[in-house]
Amino acid sequence: GESVGLHLPTLSVQEGDNSIINCAYSNSASDYFIWYKQESGKGPQFIIDIRSNMDKRQGQRVTVLLNKTVKHLSLQIAATQPGDSAVYFCAEPKDSGYSTLTFGKGTMLLVSP
Amino acid sequence: EAGVAQSPRYKIIEKRQSVAFWCNPISGHATLYWYQQILGQGPKLLIQFQNNGVVDDSQLPKDRFSAERLKGVDSTLKIQPAKLEDSAVYLCASAVSRSYEQYFGPGTRLTVT
Repeated sequence: GESVGLHLPTLSVQEGDNSIINCAYSNSASDYFIWYKQESGKGPQFIIDIRSNMDKRQGQRVTVLLNKTVKHLSLQIAATQPGDSAVYFCAEPKDSGYSTLTFGKGTMLLVSP
Repeated sequence: EAGVAQSPRYKIIEKRQSVAFWCNPISGHATLYWYQQILGQGPKLLIQFQNNGVVDDSQLPKDRFSAERLKGVDSTLKIQPAKLEDSAVYLCASAVSRSYEQYFGPGTRLTVT
């Protein structure tokens, strides 16, 4: 199998637990953030986004929290399921106007049944 | 709705050889991206097209990489000649014009030996 997890921070949880994945960003001027999920052998998939005028945004089983003071973003997954096992990336705009994204390094989430 | 299509899915070549990847974006998506994803890292943007024009190729190694989107639909990415460090997954993504919600294809895994 792939050894993609060797260089990635990894979070291991049990099925049914809540998961929290963290991301630090460096550009205090960033006004928009996105979380992507990448399953093994697939391309990244959009999960949820948040604008900087918000502190919290909720989706289906997922919540994103934004703390602009410390430039920190988190993704919370409720009642984690084995299908949530993947690498999760936060992304922010590289420049304004051209919808170019810069991706973080990623966190691998492993969910045990 | 059909997703982003890429081919081939896998390619193994020797260093100094040439290789080309093909991408067919989601119908109607004006913006097309090529990313390089090295094992254990987040995707890194190589080039972004808006219709058939390049809007960002600042991270494309232009001495060996080239890309085109002649009719504003399909795109090809070429590497000539390949180096060992080009081993990676090459992801294509598309989006409606100037949207950060990008839809990714499955990628092409390139191994250079």
